[in-house]
Amino acid sequence: GESVGLHLPTLSVQEGDNSIINCAYSNSASDYFIWYKQESGKGPQFIIDIRSNMDKRQGQRVTVLLNKTVKHLSLQIAATQPGDSAVYFCAENSLSGAGSYQLTFGKGTKLSVIP
Amino acid sequence: DAGVTQSPTHLIKTRGQQVTLRCSPKSGHDTVSWYQQALGQGPQFIFQYYEEEERQRGNFPDRFSGHQFPNYSSELNVNALLLGDSALYLCASSLVSGSTNTGELFFGEGSRLTVL
Repeated sequence: GESVGLHLPTLSVQEGDNSIINCAYSNSASDYFIWYKQESGKGPQFIIDIRSNMDKRQGQRVTVLLNKTVKHLSLQIAATQPGDSAVYFCAENSLSGAGSYQLTFGKGTKLSVIP
Repeated sequence: DAGVTQSPTHLIKTRGQQVTLRCSPKSGHDTVSWYQQALGQGPQFIFQYYEEEERQRGNFPDRFSGHQFPNYSSELNVNALLLGDSALYLCASSLVSGSTNTGELFFGEGSRLTVL
C-alpha cells in the first residue's frame, strides 16, 4: 500500500551543525507535504510545508526540499540548537476531495542535539 | 488567539468501557480532524468533520465515531474499548476556503488514553 517512511530513525548532531532529515514517500498522487516537530508530551507542531509544484521552500532556519522524480523529501535545519531536539515527522496529504486534509505520517526521526 | 484545545488531557478506562474526547478548534477554523498516535508511532488519521458531517474516514472500526457541533467543536467517541486503543488522541483543525485548503493544520496537545 501507499506509505510515507523515513530513512533514519535517529539522528545525533552537534550544536551549531546543520541537520538533514530525510523522508521517502510512495504515493505519486500526493501534492502537499508537511514537516512536523513533536516534543515529548506535546502535539505535533507545524514547521514548514511544500506543494508539489515547488522543489524548495525556506523558512526560518529550515528548508524543505522536494524531489518528485525519486519521491524524496528532506528537512534541513541550519545551526541546530538544543531546542531543536524532538521527533520530526513528514506527512503527505492524500487529498480525496476539495479542501480536505487526510495526512499520512511516517514513523518519525528522533533528533538529538549534543551541546 | 487560542489554539486547538483538547480535554481531558489524561484519562484511564477499563476494557469494554466507552470514552468521549473533546476538541475546540483554533479560532476561525471550521474543520476538525482526529488522529490516533500509538507510542513510538506517527499519528494515524481517524476521520475529519466539516459542516457537522464526517467527510473523510481512515481505516478505523465503527467503534470510533464522532460529532461536530455548530460552533465547530468536536467529540470523538470510542465504544467497547480494547487494550490496543491506548494511545494519544490528537485533534487538528484547519480552515476550508472554497475549493482549496487555507493555511496550516494545527494540532492540539492531545488526550492520553490508557485502557486497562
